[in-house]
Amino acid sequence: DIQMTQSPSTLSASVGDRVTITCRASQSISSWLAWYQQKPGKAPKLLIYKASSLESGVPSRFSGSGSGTEFTLTISSLQPDDFATYYCQQYNSYFAITFGQGTRLEIK
Amino acid sequence: QVTLRESGPALVKPTQTLTLTCTFSGFSLSTSGMCVSWIRQPPGKALEWLALIDWDDDKYYSTSLKTRLTISKDTSKNQVVLTMTNMDPVDTATYYCARTRLRSPPDYWGQGTLVTVSS
Repeated sequence: DIQMTQSPSTLSASVGDRVTITCRASQSISSWLAWYQQKPGKAPKLLIYKASSLESGVPSRFSGSGSGTEFTLTISSLQPDDFATYYCQQYNSYFAITFGQGTRLEIK
Repeated sequence: QVTLRESGPALVKPTQTLTLTCTFSGFSLSTSGMCVSWIRQPPGKALEWLALIDWDDDKYYSTSLKTRLTISKDTSKNQVVLTMTNMDPVDTATYYCARTRLRSPPDYWGQGTLVTVSS
């Protein structure tokens, strides 16, 4: 199975900050990477697919980049609603999906 | 409007078999490229993909859990069923079903159902 490693595990930031979360794959996954946001007690919400494509309805302050084995999620200017846990997910094989361990974004 | 909803027991005993049903609307599992996945999340932990069934009735399972899982669909009822045998307390988790399409990540998710394994 392809292993996904996110860093950092926890990130403290303030409203208005620019933040970046990194995700590394144990082997090349081309651009078959998605990013999700999850709030407590809620299902994950798809933000980015195919590494850099913004899901419909997601604010443009969210962006994704990368290919191969290294990927980033950037939030250009943190808003209060953005404090949550973020997961990367590879779907290089859509029938053998794996997730990163998550990055908790907390208020500084 | 795409919606999914998971249903099943909230509490199961160790060694029992868990049966969960995903009832969905807004799409058809007979449409080429359409799939449904099951994903779980133990309390305070990361997401774990479990299984997927596609429009052609092909079935795929997590490598680590494949001996315990069975996924099936009833296209006429818009339902997907997941069974997991030999439940253990470590299987305590919120179980989600999600729409998945060929070459796309799960996009629409159910609200999840918490299953606790305890005697």
